[in-house]
Amino acid sequence: EIVLTQSPATLSLSPGERATLSCRASQSVNSYLAWYQQKPGQAPRLLIYDASNRATGIPARFSGSGSGTDFTLTINSLEPEDFAVYYCQQRSNWPPKVFTFGQGTRLEIK
Amino acid sequence: VQLVESGGGLVQPGGSLRLSCGASEFTFSDWYMSWIRQAPGKGLEWISYMDGSGTYIYYADSVKGRFTISRDNAKKSLFLLMSSLRAEDTAVYYCAGTSSRGFDYWGRGTLVTVSS
Repeated sequence: EIVLTQSPATLSLSPGERATLSCRASQSVNSYLAWYQQKPGQAPRLLIYDASNRATGIPARFSGSGSGTDFTLTINSLEPEDFAVYYCQQRSNWPPKVFTFGQGTRLEIK
Repeated sequence: VQLVESGGGLVQPGGSLRLSCGASEFTFSDWYMSWIRQAPGKGLEWISYMDGSGTYIYYADSVKGRFTISRDNAKKSLFLLMSSLRAEDTAVYYCAGTSSRGFDYWGRGTLVTVSS
């Protein structure tokens, strides 16, 4: 079973700053890595798929990079609405037998 | 696209519950559909998905043998029959439209509480 480890657990930044969130897989997931944003009381929202592709309607300040085992979500010039919890998620070749999520990174206002 | 879950509530340990998810503005039969849950204050856990025809059905180990996913494409509905429920099954349960991109569309979730 592939384990995803996200770091840091909590990231404290100010609006306008750049956020860099990490997701590391216990073994290669190729580029089958997605990122989600979840705000309190809401369902998660797909941000990035296949490591670096923005989902429909996602602002350009969100970008993803990486392949294999190391992935990064970067949020440039943080907006107040970006403070939330972020999860990475992996799958194997389609259709997969399992999906797994990382434990999440909480992005909070400093 | 709108997904609306229902059927959550309080159930005793060992009991059963059936969740439903209704879809609208959505070509339901074309989509793989998943159930994902989130225990209070915790992260996300994928628990099951199935394709439009029922050819591919998979479960997480944590629910295998206890939960059953099914769908009715004519009624644009997804179901999750949960049995032998445990305290650790307490969570908000989301249905999600699923593709090779990931979980594209989510409902608002329904809360299941397993407690005596």
